Amino acid sequence: DAGVIQSPRHEVTEMGQEVTLRCKPISGHNSLFWYRQTMMRGLELLIYFNNNVPIDDSGMPEDRFSAKMPNASFSTLKIQPSEPRDSAVYFCASSLGTGGYGYTFGSGTRLTVV
Amino acid sequence: AQSVSQHNHHVILSEAASLELGCNYSYGGTVNLFWYVQYPGQHLQLLLKYFSGDPLVKGIKGFEAEFIKSKFSFNLRKPSVQWSDTAEYFCAVTPGTGGGADGLTFGKGTHLIIQP
Repeated sequence: DAGVIQSPRHEVTEMGQEVTLRCKPISGHNSLFWYRQTMMRGLELLIYFNNNVPIDDSGMPEDRFSAKMPNASFSTLKIQPSEPRDSAVYFCASSLGTGGYGYTFGSGTRLTVV
Repeated sequence: AQSVSQHNHHVILSEAASLELGCNYSYGGTVNLFWYVQYPGQHLQLLLKYFSGDPLVKGIKGFEAEFIKSKFSFNLRKPSVQWSDTAEYFCAVTPGTGGGADGLTFGKGTHLIIQP
């Protein structure tokens, strides 16, 4: 199993530009989560999906952030327009959703907005 | 909403010392509890998890944790640490009814440094 795959691994962009982060969950997992990690705030849950449906987006910091999951094997997190304070590591995780199997994290995307 | 408190932000130990990292959670109902490790520059890896049953949970790399419901605690332990255990350790909780369909709430993490 290839695990949770995120791309790109690193992204450097200028303030005001649109940024799209991508995630491919583990095949068969029906829950997908987006987290943001910063030194100041630690790991924060941004949004999660069950069976491709957004369940809770209360962690999304602003309207500049949006996430989609068009099918069971792909999700995107978009920031438009990006700001320097969005600089962080963004992790995607997936889980089987039932039975307590736990969560598997991707390698993360390190975003730097200059 | 649930929350997690990790008391020690930085811990420095010598090799072969025993380790205990504290974790307390706040939630009124059944919980699922996790410890994750993040090695420098890497993603989070699951060390161990508690869902039900025996409150003493054994994980990978010789780690274990004990769920004490009366104290709302889930402390991580290892009898003898190694230099390779240097990493960031995160305690996390999710409502017990979700089974993996709800998001994790993480503590702020404990940065563990093992000196040779």
